[in-house]
Amino acid sequence: SQTIHQWPATLVQPVGSPLSLECTVEGTSNPNLYWYRQAAGRGLQLLFYSVGIGQISSEVPQNLSASRPQDRQFILSSKKLLLSDSGFYLCAWSLGGGGQETQYFGPGTRLLVL
Amino acid sequence: AQTVTQSQPEMSVQEAETVTLSCTYDTSENNYYLFWYKQPPSRQMILVIRQEAYKQQNATENRFSVNFQKAAKSFSLKISDSQLGDTAMYFCAFMEYGNKLVFGAGTILRVKS
Repeated sequence: SQTIHQWPATLVQPVGSPLSLECTVEGTSNPNLYWYRQAAGRGLQLLFYSVGIGQISSEVPQNLSASRPQDRQFILSSKKLLLSDSGFYLCAWSLGGGGQETQYFGPGTRLLVL
Repeated sequence: AQTVTQSQPEMSVQEAETVTLSCTYDTSENNYYLFWYKQPPSRQMILVIRQEAYKQQNATENRFSVNFQKAAKSFSLKISDSQLGDTAMYFCAFMEYGNKLVFGAGTILRVKS
């Protein structure tokens, strides 16, 4: 069966510091991968998605970036965090291809920027 | 742009009773998918149910069922025999072409004993 991991689970960072959140998927090959952000009490906003290694699509212009160095690894980064970057970050995967596949979510990372 | 509207910010239900959560969406397409996700206090998003727009039959998963009204662009979730563990935020989500999900703002459901 497939599993999705995210770390760290919780992160407190000062404004201006760098960020690296990691997501890995097990039990499947060539998945589509997604990064979402959820502000407190709000719905999810798609940030990035990837259909393959090195292929990243950005949905929202901001100071965040994403990379996919390996088939089942997806990384969310920032060079300098802003206060507004605080939130709950969720990674998700779905079966690869262009079809409308169900997305399955990881446990998430709580990020607090102070 | 596609939009998903959940008009009930909060709802409550007594244990063992039935509750219905509302969702409407806007699209000009004919082929799409709809989902309900549950987010308990742990904040992990859990798939509850999925409906393909081309299927007339409403999807059912144990105590969870949907009422899909394509012409009205409505997709409500019915939870039967509510349990304390059903307490969570429920999100309706829409997927058109590709794999991009658009989420509603969510409905907080509290199940009372």
